[in-house]
Amino acid sequence: NAGVTQTPKFQVLKTGQSMTLQCAQDMNHNSMYWYRQDPGMGLRLIYYSASEGTTDKGEVPNGYNVSRLNKREFSLRLESAAPSQTSVYFCASQGPNTGELFFGEGSRLTVL
Amino acid sequence: QKEVEQNSGPLSVPEGAIASLNCTYSDRGSQSFFWYRQYSGKSPELIMFIYSNGDKEDGRFTAQLNKASQYVSLLIRDSQPSDSATYLCAVNDNYGQNFVFGPGTRLSVLP
Repeated sequence: NAGVTQTPKFQVLKTGQSMTLQCAQDMNHNSMYWYRQDPGMGLRLIYYSASEGTTDKGEVPNGYNVSRLNKREFSLRLESAAPSQTSVYFCASQGPNTGELFFGEGSRLTVL
Repeated sequence: QKEVEQNSGPLSVPEGAIASLNCTYSDRGSQSFFWYRQYSGKSPELIMFIYSNGDKEDGRFTAQLNKASQYVSLLIRDSQPSDSATYLCAVNDNYGQNFVFGPGTRLSVLP
């Protein structure tokens, strides 16, 4: 039981390049989330998915797209990376009983 | 804009003391409240959750909720150096998907 797995853990991009962050959970959770964490700003929601086939924008969706491929997987895509997207990205899934979020280990992205 | 506020710290306490972490939130519709601990370079992990007014105790940790004052706190008794981390307060609404996180309070427990 791995919980929430994110890849890659580290990535350096040049401005304008694209990339996809992958996330998978093995806890059979319906809801999944993508957050970014910047110093002094806490976790900010980019997109979430309440169930397979549905996605909704969060607080900071601009410059990102998501795909809920199936119940297990929720990917985050940067189509044209910008230096402002330099951040640590966390994927999370939500437990149905307590509502708590289970986080992946994070993906540290640097855009030059 | 729903907001969750925390003192960014650092909060320094001596080993064995009680650490008190505070959080206020703006949305009166918030129904569930969470405290996460985050070590440097790691992902957040759940410490406690609380739904009802009053206190909830789990080992050395006590969460306190006052919905009328829109205030939630975390007390850590017998603080240990291993408790040194950033503590994130999160609140959620009745539908369960609108988590709002505070910026976190950095706690330093001095040996």
